[in-house]
Amino acid sequence: DGGITQSPKYLFRKEGQNVTLSCEQNLNHDAMYWYRQDPGQGLRLIYYSQIVNDFQKGDIAEGYSVSREKKESFPLTVTSAQKNPTAFYLCASSQDISPLHFGNGTRLTVT
Amino acid sequence: KNEVEQSPQNLTAQEGEFITINCSYSVGISALHWLQQHPGGGIVSLFMLSSGKKKHGRLIATINIQEKHSSLHITASHPRDSAVYICAVTISSGSARQLTFGSGTQLTVLP
Repeated sequence: DGGITQSPKYLFRKEGQNVTLSCEQNLNHDAMYWYRQDPGQGLRLIYYSQIVNDFQKGDIAEGYSVSREKKESFPLTVTSAQKNPTAFYLCASSQDISPLHFGNGTRLTVT
Repeated sequence: KNEVEQSPQNLTAQEGEFITINCSYSVGISALHWLQQHPGGGIVSLFMLSSGKKKHGRLIATINIQEKHSSLHITASHPRDSAVYICAVTISSGSARQLTFGSGTQLTVLP
């Protein structure tokens, strides 16, 4: 079955460390997205990519970086510059006007 | 003011009850999405609609473009329907597939 795989499900890091969240899809979708979810708030867009080797900042890109070297992979790095990195991170993909497909998320805790 | 408002924020129902979750938006949209987020965090797309009404099993989604309002109905609710239901809109002037999300409605169906 096609889908989006995010790993790991839970991630713990010390403050000041960079951490990379993995997102892989086998749906052959061109577009991929990273969202952040905080309690009581709607999902907010961090970065998105419409095609390999190209990506754009979303609404809350500061402190994050991404790469899109392969169609199926869109890793997100949470850098030490991100002031409040503890959150639930969701990766999604889409093709043309189809609905978004989401991964199961990674819960990052930074202490 | 959020561009997408959902009500209620929390809803508790008895098994078998008819449930309605509402979504209002304040911007021009090209599509509205209803999503379901289970306790584990993964999100599933339930409906994408731009007019009228869609039905899938016990779920019905309606949209009134003039009133900028959508409803999600669940008939004969069941404890397995317990989840967070999220309304999201694709904004007409937005680039790519940028969505704006509501903060979600936590539904609990008691046996």
